Amino acid sequence: QKEVEQNSGPLSVPEGAIASLNCTYSDRGSQSFFWYRQYSGKSPELIMSIYSNGDKEDGRFTAQLNKASQYVSLLIRDSQPSDSATYLCAVRDSNYQLIWGAGTKLIIKP
Amino acid sequence: GAGVSQSPRYKVAKRGQDVALRCDPISGHVSLFWYQQALGQGPEFLTYFQNEAQLDKSGLPSDRFFAERPEGSVSTLKIQRTQQEDSAVYLCASSHTTTGGWNEQFFGPGTRLTVL
Repeated sequence: QKEVEQNSGPLSVPEGAIASLNCTYSDRGSQSFFWYRQYSGKSPELIMSIYSNGDKEDGRFTAQLNKASQYVSLLIRDSQPSDSATYLCAVRDSNYQLIWGAGTKLIIKP
Repeated sequence: GAGVSQSPRYKVAKRGQDVALRCDPISGHVSLFWYQQALGQGPEFLTYFQNEAQLDKSGLPSDRFFAERPEGSVSTLKIQRTQQEDSAVYLCASSHTTTGGWNEQFFGPGTRLTVL
C-alpha cells in the first residue's frame, strides 16, 4: 500500500514566524511532488511543485525534497493569518498515480 | 473557460436515488480526474480520462459509480442507488499535460453530496 503521511496538526505558528510542514512517502520510485493549499470548504489549489532533490523557492514558500529519506517539506516564511489552511502533500508515484496525504491544518496566530 | 467548474455545488439525495455530477474542465485540458474527499481527509482518486478515453478507473469504489467524457471535454460522474457512505465532496481536476497525465492539476470547487 503506497502511502503519503502528514501530521494532521493543527500546527499553530505566530504571525511572522516560519511554518514548517512535513510529508513522508513510501514509494521510492516517486517522480513528482506537490504541495496544495485548501481553505475550509474550498478546493485544493497548487502552491508548489518539486521534481529534484534540494530546495525550490517561490516567494515566501520553499519546498525541500530529499529522495533518499523519502521526505518533502514546505516552509512558509513571514507567516500571515491568510496562510491558515490545510496543506496537502501529493506524490506522483512510479505508476504515475497521484497519492495524497490527509493534510496538515496550519493556524497562524496574529 | 477561466477555471474548472462543477455543478451542482451541493446535492442532497435520498438513499437509493441516482445522482449525476458534472465537470467542465479548463478549455484545452486533455486530462481529467475525479476524486472523492471525505471530511478531514485528502482526496481519494476515483478515475482518470485522457480526452474521451477512460484510462484508469481503479479508484471507483463499486459498480454503482460510473464516469464518462464522451466528447473529451465535459465529464459526468454518475452514482446509482446512493448510499450514506457516498456522502463526500466530489472534486474534478484537469491538467493540460499528457505525460502520464499526472502533473499539475487544477481543481474545480467540488460538489458536496449528502445522502440521507
